[in-house]
Amino acid sequence: DAGVIQSPRHEVTEMGQEVTLRCKPISGHNSLFWYRQTMMRGLELLIYFNNNVPIDDSGMPEDRFSAKMPNASFSTLKIQPSEPRDSAVYFCASRDLSGANVLTFGAGSRLTVL
Amino acid sequence: LAKTTQPISMDSYEGQEVNITCSHNNIATNDYITWYQQFPSQGPRFIIQGYKTKVTNEVASLFIPADRKSSTLSLPRVSLSDTAVYYCLVGSSNDYKLSFGAGTTVTVRA
Repeated sequence: DAGVIQSPRHEVTEMGQEVTLRCKPISGHNSLFWYRQTMMRGLELLIYFNNNVPIDDSGMPEDRFSAKMPNASFSTLKIQPSEPRDSAVYFCASRDLSGANVLTFGAGSRLTVL
Repeated sequence: LAKTTQPISMDSYEGQEVNITCSHNNIATNDYITWYQQFPSQGPRFIIQGYKTKVTNEVASLFIPADRKSSTLSLPRVSLSDTAVYYCLVGSSNDYKLSFGAGTTVTVRA
């Protein structure tokens, strides 16, 4: 298995632009997480999907953030419009609920908003 | 979810054993203890998980006392490549609001 695949790995954009981050979870995993990591706040859970359904989006900072999971093999995190304070590394992780509570993370998408 | 407390940082030298203790006084009966490792510019990676006593794999050992209020991750004979942040998490199999906290930054020197 190729693991959790995220794209793009790096994104530099200007304030006000729309940003879309993509994630392909491990095949067969039924849970998907989006995290954001910054030096100041560490790893923060943004949203959690179970069987493609958003279960908890209380970590999404503002309405500018939205996430979708149209099918079991794809999820997107969108920021519109982006702001400099959104600069962070965004991680996607997936989990197989039938097994131990172990998350497999992707390599992350480093976002810089100028 | 049980709150965890672990040291912010630890320094070591190549070849030494590194032990990181995590406190989780409010651990629940159904909770497991899971450790992750994160290298710079990478996502966290699962290292080891346990419920009680001792668990060992090719990377580390996890010691859990009978009261389960703490756990110790042991990294045998560390090398420079073990320099990373190590996170201790506590939760049951269905928990999803897992708190990674600040983790423990382990720095291995030559």
